[in-house]
Amino acid sequence: SQQGEEDPQALSIQEGENATMNCSYKTSINNLQWYRQNSGRGLVHLILIRSNEREKHSGRLRVTLDTSKKSSSLLITASRAADTASYFCEYLDRGSTLGRLYFGRGTQLTVWP
Amino acid sequence: DGGITQSPKYLFRKEGQNVTLSCEQNLNHDAMYWYRQDPGQGLRLIYYSQIVNDFQKGDIAEGYSVSREKKESFPLTVTSAQKNPTAFYLCASSTAGGMNTGELFFGEGSRLTVL
Repeated sequence: SQQGEEDPQALSIQEGENATMNCSYKTSINNLQWYRQNSGRGLVHLILIRSNEREKHSGRLRVTLDTSKKSSSLLITASRAADTASYFCEYLDRGSTLGRLYFGRGTQLTVWP
Repeated sequence: DGGITQSPKYLFRKEGQNVTLSCEQNLNHDAMYWYRQDPGQGLRLIYYSQIVNDFQKGDIAEGYSVSREKKESFPLTVTSAQKNPTAFYLCASSTAGGMNTGELFFGEGSRLTVL
């Protein structure tokens, strides 16, 4: 399977702390995205990083990409209770002519007030 | 507003019955996808379609069927052949072909419970 792996599976922190989630993948990619999912809801896109980029920022989010290690990380700084959600990485298989997308298994983040 | 709409949000079915989940988008996207999500799990791809009148099986297509007769619509039928259909189903859409960055737009999901 080309499904990605994320770690940790679950992360529990206090408000104000930083949260780091990691994603590893197996194929060559064009782009990698991170999504957020609140319980019982659909996924919401957070940020895209292209294969020729190493780091990207958006507000309190910082994403890095290391194509040599086939891994990406999502850092949420100064976390808030409202950041409690599941976070997924998703990537596009560069070798797929059908535009096949793959997801990681997700990290469940809990931020305590 | 542009978006993707799934219905119904909650659905109960008796064993042996087929059920169809609706997915409609007005984003003018060529590609549409169906994913299944089980508690505490990631997303598993059921079917996807890059263009009208064409679709491909994903990783867990057995017991499911789809159609893509219109660009805006990609309904999923959960048949009686699906042995464990209770799950949360997510529909998504994206641009396709050379414009495809891999960014997906998701509906709010449909929760199917088999009684």
